[in-house]
Amino acid sequence: GQNIDQPTEMTATEGAIVQINCTYQTSGFNGLFWYQQHAGEAPTFLSYNVLDGLEEKGRFSSFLSRSKGYSYLLLKELQMKDSASYLCAVRDARAGNNRKLIWGLGTSLAVNP
Amino acid sequence: DAEITQSPRHKITETGRQVTLACHQTWNHNNMFWYRQDLGHGLRLIHYSYGVQDTNKGEVSDGYSVSRSNTEDLPLTLESAASSQTSVYFCASSEAAGTDTQYFGPGTRLTVL
Repeated sequence: GQNIDQPTEMTATEGAIVQINCTYQTSGFNGLFWYQQHAGEAPTFLSYNVLDGLEEKGRFSSFLSRSKGYSYLLLKELQMKDSASYLCAVRDARAGNNRKLIWGLGTSLAVNP
Repeated sequence: DAEITQSPRHKITETGRQVTLACHQTWNHNNMFWYRQDLGHGLRLIHYSYGVQDTNKGEVSDGYSVSRSNTEDLPLTLESAASSQTSVYFCASSEAAGTDTQYFGPGTRLTVL
């Protein structure tokens, strides 16, 4: 089956570091995406991983382990504006499906002063 | 700048009426997608298209239809609106090359009374 798991909610303090985990079980794998979605707005692309390892992009980093079906998004130097939902999505690699994404339900992050 | 737009941004309609939501992108992307987003369900794929004259059903396609007569537009039609179709609808597009990242429009909030 196809399944993506993320924690529903997380809370962190301004200036701190937070790690949001995502585990997946899919029939095929061809890349993992992280998106940020502020309340009432559209998802916006944050990062893409297709090979194992860490991808760093400013205050945000994303890690992938394909053998463990695991990814995390690391947010450093948290700011109030980072309060949002973070969506994990896996690209389905099955024939005919390789442009579709399987979406997690998202992790709602609250950053407190 | 290239972009993806949706209209209307908000719509209230009555049960049984036909409704069409517009999606227009200027990136010249081949792939376009329609999602709905509801609390507790995350993003669910309604229909998608990999190019002109190509349309495919997603996981929640009943009661919806799309047509792709040009690269820029993928309108979503609710044939006979039902209260269960009250939702936020997002259109997305991707390039079908490289990371094939999906970029989202601003969304349409539809209420069916």
